[in-house]
Order: sequence, then structure tokens, then C-alpha cells
Amino acid sequence: GAVVSQHPSRVICKSGTSVKIECRSLDFQATTMFWYRQFPKKSLMLMATSNEGSKATYEQGVEKDKFLINHASLTLSTLTVTSAHPEDSSFYICSARSPGMNTEAFFGQGTRLTVV
Amino acid sequence: TQLLEQSPQFLSIQEGENLTVYCNSSSVFSSLQWYRQEPGEGPVLLVTVVTGGEVKKLKRLTFQFGDARKDSSLHITAAQPGDTGLYLCAGVREVRGSRLTFGEGTQLTVNP
Repeated sequence: GAVVSQHPSRVICKSGTSVKIECRSLDFQATTMFWYRQFPKKSLMLMATSNEGSKATYEQGVEKDKFLINHASLTLSTLTVTSAHPEDSSFYICSARSPGMNTEAFFGQGTRLTVV
Repeated sequence: TQLLEQSPQFLSIQEGENLTVYCNSSSVFSSLQWYRQEPGEGPVLLVTVVTGGEVKKLKRLTFQFGDARKDSSLHITAAQPGDTGLYLCAGVREVRGSRLTFGEGTQLTVNP
């Protein structure tokens, strides 16, 4: 199956700093990537849809100035959590899909962000 | 209102027991996926069903897509401790395009 790599897997940062999370599709070109947030033992909550070469589409209630998404190439999308606060601590997961693939998306390993 | 109602949310059973997880909606889905997720990792795709009434088997797991493509079930036979994890159903709605809509998840614990 397709491989999606997410980096880093864990990150601890201080309040007020920014953190960048990378999502790469390793063996296919992903025109669309998705960013999710997940709380413990809960389901995935879609934050935004990232399309290569265009602005991301954010879900209602997600601050686009706080969660900056860049999809500059067909294999890389980044999520930057700006001015992080402890309430931003969570598990962030990306997924990727290309037009030639079936409707399922392949997920990265996730990033555990802890803001102290 | 949750678009995909998944039940039960929590399930704790003994090794060897059978179980069924349900995923229901009032909306029609062009396809539906089942994922399994372990703590600290991303979801891993188990199966995709696309045809109403479709049944797929993956070893001890049986997946069924409802005739009207509004619901799905996952049945596990003779559960093992290694089956422990968070099971997620996710569907692609015909109206909304290719976005995945997730159910709330079922946290399964299989005790030895």
C-alpha cells in the first residue's frame, strides 16, 4: 500500500513558540492531503484540506492563522502550529490521496504535540 | 449531530468471544472504510466496501456494507488480545466529494 510519512512523531515545545509538522507521500503524488486532530480515545477531527498549489480549506472553528498549512509540492504538506499554547497539545495526523487512487486515504504515523 | 453513528463506543470482552461493531447513517456513502488504530499511531486501513450488500472477509474479520449504502458492520470471530485497538469507520459521501467522514470510533479491549 501507499506510504505516508509524518515527522516528527513526538515534539515538546514551550508556550508561545511555533512547531512545524511535515507530511510526505513517499511513493505517490498526493494532490490532496488532509490534516486531523485527535483527542485521547476519540475519533479523528478534520482540521483542513490541503490542495497542492492552492490555499487550504479549513473546517469551521479551526483558526487558519494559528494552524498554517502549506502544500508546496505533490509530496509534501506542512502544518505549522503558531504561538502554541498548552490547549494545542494533541495528536495530529495527516492523510494523503491522489486522483488515481481509490477513495481511501492513507495516514501518517501521527505527531504527538505537547506544549509546556 | 454525528453523521456516522458508531456503536458501541467501548467494548471489553474475553479472548475467544465474538463481537460486532456497527456504523450507521441516514446518508448514502459511495464507499466506506474501516480502520484500526493503536495508541500513538495513525489509522491503518483494513478494508474498503463500495457496493451495497457487499461482504468482505479478512481472516477473522467480516465486513458488510448495507444494501442502501447507509450502514456497515464489522464482525470479529474468536477475538484475540492482538485485536485490541480503536476501530474507526469512515465514509465518503456522494454529495460532499472525496472527504472522509469518521464515526466516533469503538475502543475494543480483548482480555486474555
